Amino acid sequence: ETGVTQSPTHLIKTRGQQVTLRCSSQSGHNTVSWYQQALGQGPQFIFQYYREEENGRGNFPPRFSGLQFPNYSSELNVNALELDDSALYLCASSLGRGGGEQYFGPGTRLTVT
Amino acid sequence: TQLLEQSPQFLSIQEGENLTVYCNSSSVFSSLQWYRQEPGEGPVLLVTVVTGGEVKKLKRLTFQFGDARKDSSLHITAAQTGDTGLYLCAGAYAGGTSYGKLTFGQGTILTVHP
Repeated sequence: ETGVTQSPTHLIKTRGQQVTLRCSSQSGHNTVSWYQQALGQGPQFIFQYYREEENGRGNFPPRFSGLQFPNYSSELNVNALELDDSALYLCASSLGRGGGEQYFGPGTRLTVT
Repeated sequence: TQLLEQSPQFLSIQEGENLTVYCNSSSVFSSLQWYRQEPGEGPVLLVTVVTGGEVKKLKRLTFQFGDARKDSSLHITAAQTGDTGLYLCAGAYAGGTSYGKLTFGQGTILTVHP
């Protein structure tokens, strides 16, 4: 069984740029959730995708957008990067909709300068 | 807005001591998870509790879910240095605008000294 993978591991971007983060879900899982984790804090929910459609969104502006593909992998896109977007971005996969058991990838560390 | 309060924020103990971490909310959870996170890595699922009053044990770790499903605790017996890490509780609320998300507490940083 393959776990959740994310790429890239680390990323440095300049304010105003755009970034795309990628996630491959655990085999057998059809749902992907994205979270932002600031240093010393718990993860904050960005949104969830179930069978290629958005299924719930947290308090993040529209410049945070996502996609889920037919193989259930997913992308998180962030436009017009701000300094406060610097964080660990976590992807979690699960089976079925909702907020039950979710399995996390190792995360992408984004630094905005 | 559903808030999940976790305490204490920091815990520094000696090897062999016992400890308890608490997780409280004013809202009812449909389920609650406990995770452990190492620096630079993603959270690793330890346990899921669903039923009010439920108690689950994982070796030296005991997890309890409150009868009203609004609170939970994690108790570690005879802590070891390998238990050091960030412990997170996360609740799933059923239905409405909360659907799909886990709400995390701010975490408890546990340091176990030899």
